[in-house]
Amino acid sequence: AQKITQTQPGMFVQEKEAVTLDCTYDTSDPSYGLFWYKQPSSGEMIFLIYQGSYDQQNATEGRYSLNFQKARKSANLVISASQLGDSAMYFCAMREGQSNYQLIWGAGTKLIIKP
Amino acid sequence: DVKVTQSSRYLVKRTGEKVFLECVQDMDHENMFWYRQDPGLGLRLIYFSYDVKMKEKGDIPEGYSVSREKKERFSLILESASTNQTSMYLCASSPYLAGLGSREQYFGPGTRLTVT
Repeated sequence: AQKITQTQPGMFVQEKEAVTLDCTYDTSDPSYGLFWYKQPSSGEMIFLIYQGSYDQQNATEGRYSLNFQKARKSANLVISASQLGDSAMYFCAMREGQSNYQLIWGAGTKLIIKP
Repeated sequence: DVKVTQSSRYLVKRTGEKVFLECVQDMDHENMFWYRQDPGLGLRLIYFSYDVKMKEKGDIPEGYSVSREKKERFSLILESASTNQTSMYLCASSPYLAGLGSREQYFGPGTRLTVT
């Protein structure tokens, strides 16, 4: 079974609009961490934001915020005021508490910002 | 800033050749990882290392081996390259994590390997 599911293979969004990228996860471990990465066409994976399973507040980093709904096992990335430079692949990943090392990755969402 | 470098951005090899992909990080991280990335499949872990000379298999280790003789360097070896190993290879590093916290992995620019 998929542990990380990103249901949107691709999205088009108008510049300056907010965009939500979906991520659902599956784990029975009470301790886990959720990550979002951006991969521009250059190829390098760039860390955006992190949410721990015990964090009380939703994580925010500048224009990025994570809409964490624990009961629904969802960790959606919200980008406010999208910019052309936000066009990229976006990946959701999870680290389960038992493993210090491995991240489990979703298949990604290709986001294209239209001018 | 953490810097992870990979020896080549693009590489073309012939079937049956031995291929070395090198990765170097400059932040004294304990953990290093090799992934391959294929469209629609996300990132799949090949091997990781949590210390010098220590390695663990990831999800798809078949056809690959690794070497970590120095803390900053982690090499991926394709003993006999095959066309189904044509892919993007990403190296990453992260510090050791004593508890559960935000310890993101830092990635290199990737090597796009084509095996003909």
